[in-house]
Amino acid sequence: SYVLTQPPSVSVAPGKTARITCGGNNIGSKSVHWYQQKPGQAPVLVIYYDSDRPSGIPERFSGSNSGNTATLTISRVEAGDEADYYCQVWDSSSDHRGVFGGGTKLTVL
Amino acid sequence: QVQLVESGGGLVKPGGSLRLSCAASGFTFSDYYMSWIRQAPGKGLEWVSYISSSSSYTNYADSVKGRFTISRDNAKNSLYLQMNSLRAEDTAVYYCAGSIAVAGNFDYWGQGTLVTVSS
Repeated sequence: SYVLTQPPSVSVAPGKTARITCGGNNIGSKSVHWYQQKPGQAPVLVIYYDSDRPSGIPERFSGSNSGNTATLTISRVEAGDEADYYCQVWDSSSDHRGVFGGGTKLTVL
Repeated sequence: QVQLVESGGGLVKPGGSLRLSCAASGFTFSDYYMSWIRQAPGKGLEWVSYISSSSSYTNYADSVKGRFTISRDNAKNSLYLQMNSLRAEDTAVYYCAGSIAVAGNFDYWGQGTLVTVSS
């Protein structure tokens, strides 16, 4: 089965740039979606199809995907960005199954 | 506005059964692929199952295959998950989520319902 690997934690100072990676075998050939989850809340989509941003999501959030790594980049990080972030793909080799990365806890110092 | 409201969670003994429901409103439910996604306490998200818009296709995670059954009723704008032979490791918050495309993102999420499997 397809595996997505994320770092458990990333720390960044306010105003700096945070980069959260999502590794997978030839992930560049798949569409990657990113979700933000704050404590006690349901996940919220922040990036879809590698780099598209839903309405209402700040331009500070961006995404890229190439080779074996997809990256969520958050520029000018704010305290309110502190949350868990998950990458997600669909594994068509397994007759279409959803796959989530293990999640990354973003801490704003 | 868009709403997905899960219900049916609760405390059940190992080996028992539970049926979760998800009521949708505010969007054309019959156009959406629907999934169940769960999150064990303090853990990450785990995709559980999906069903196509017309119920033609379903699939399951290996961890629940043969024990869980997903279904939907487009006339009632509702999604279901029948869970049998429950185990302690099935304890989690269960979310229903919708995606407009077969390999798309989850556009809409419910707030989740907690299932606790314990004796």
